[in-house]
Amino acid sequence: SQQGEEDPQALSIQEGENATMNCSYKTSINNLQWYRQNSGRGLVHLILIRSNEREKHSGRLRVTLDTSKKSSSLLITASRAADTASYFCATGLNTGFQKLVFGTGTRLLVSP
Amino acid sequence: EAGVTQFPSHSVIEKGQTVTLRCDPISGHDNLYWYRRVMGKEIKFLLHFVKESKQDESGMPNNRFLAERTGGTYSTLKVQPAELEDSGVYFCASSTSLNTEAFFGQGTRLTVV
Repeated sequence: SQQGEEDPQALSIQEGENATMNCSYKTSINNLQWYRQNSGRGLVHLILIRSNEREKHSGRLRVTLDTSKKSSSLLITASRAADTASYFCATGLNTGFQKLVFGTGTRLLVSP
Repeated sequence: EAGVTQFPSHSVIEKGQTVTLRCDPISGHDNLYWYRRVMGKEIKFLLHFVKESKQDESGMPNNRFLAERTGGTYSTLKVQPAELEDSGVYFCASSTSLNTEAFFGQGTRLTVV
């Protein structure tokens, strides 16, 4: 099974609603990073949260990390149609290297 | 500040041919990574450079793939000879140091026919 698995696989909401995506992982990590990918384009970095942090905010984004449960969540508040994209979590493993292990992604659709 | 740039954005080649992908990391980033996503599967790590040295190449699928980073600046990833299963999107990323943000390029979509 995968190191990083996002839940749900797909999410459809209306503009203005909040979107929550979850990520679970299996091994010890240094950090966890969230990325967005629009229509098969490049990966846009959203937030990095380190293993000793529990919550971080960036604009309308809020990320939490629970290392005891090996899980993270990404909350997008007051969603917009432009937030429609695939969202990936990537774990930076605690191996001394910076290899990121990506999850399968959550496809978010925000309808006007 | 320019982001990570990759060239070409698309490449279509025939099976058995050679293709070279290029990545220019963000200036000053010592760490450079290659990833790829094939057939709609997960994005997977290929290798990691620290300056010009290969730090971790555990993700390289086989010896048809050769990555270089001469001078510790830009990097190339050569596939020779290309096979059908090599089709996918190849991403490059860079970071300043370990445990920091890794910024990705737009990717190169490789199609082997």
